[in-house]
Amino acid sequence: ETGVTQTPRHLVMGMTNKKSLKCEQHLGHNAMYWYKQSAKKPLELMFVYSLEERVENNSVPSRFSPECPNSSHLFLHLHTLQPEDSALYLCASSQGTGGEKLFFGSGTQLSVL
Amino acid sequence: ILNVEQSPQSLHVQEGDSTNFTCSFPSSNFYALHWYRWETAKSPEALFVMTLNGDEKKKGRISATLNTKEGYSYLYIKGSQPEDSATYLCASSLAAGNKLTFGGGTRVLVKP
Repeated sequence: ETGVTQTPRHLVMGMTNKKSLKCEQHLGHNAMYWYKQSAKKPLELMFVYSLEERVENNSVPSRFSPECPNSSHLFLHLHTLQPEDSALYLCASSQGTGGEKLFFGSGTQLSVL
Repeated sequence: ILNVEQSPQSLHVQEGDSTNFTCSFPSSNFYALHWYRWETAKSPEALFVMTLNGDEKKKGRISATLNTKEGYSYLYIKGSQPEDSATYLCASSLAAGNKLTFGGGTRVLVKP
């Protein structure tokens, strides 16, 4: 148990669906992240939130929309995704953004049909 | 764009043997180097965060070294055990902000 919980663990959606991924951290951290791992590729940073403010948007298409309502919760809203968006989406948190280690959730395995 | 490379991509180790593998990263504007262990069906777990040239860190049978001038880090596993089987990820950043760039990982399989 890392203190970072992601739901759902698995998600299958059509290209016209709208869904959301949820992440919650119970560690009192101030920073939260979304990472994507596609097959046979390294983990790619998508978004960074620090104290509920988005501080990094790593050229992610607008069909991915993050939301951070408070420092414990992070969402990734998905709409009109493409099959190539099928991947493992990992949430992480850290105490701050000064080089501290990341605590990861177990991920959501997303399949877009 | 920061390019972080790990080698080898995978290796098989006999139980009881020691092993090591490499992470290479651009040495200019280096800020921090992270190592994570990722076991199948679990979350990546932080092993070490290193920032200073010459840093050496140890956690049980696992240790890591850092050379920021030449841009590489080694991870060592002494006396490998089956529970060490995992993918080991390194990640580097150029500045504070935790914008980490990950390598592709080294998948280690320890055979009993």
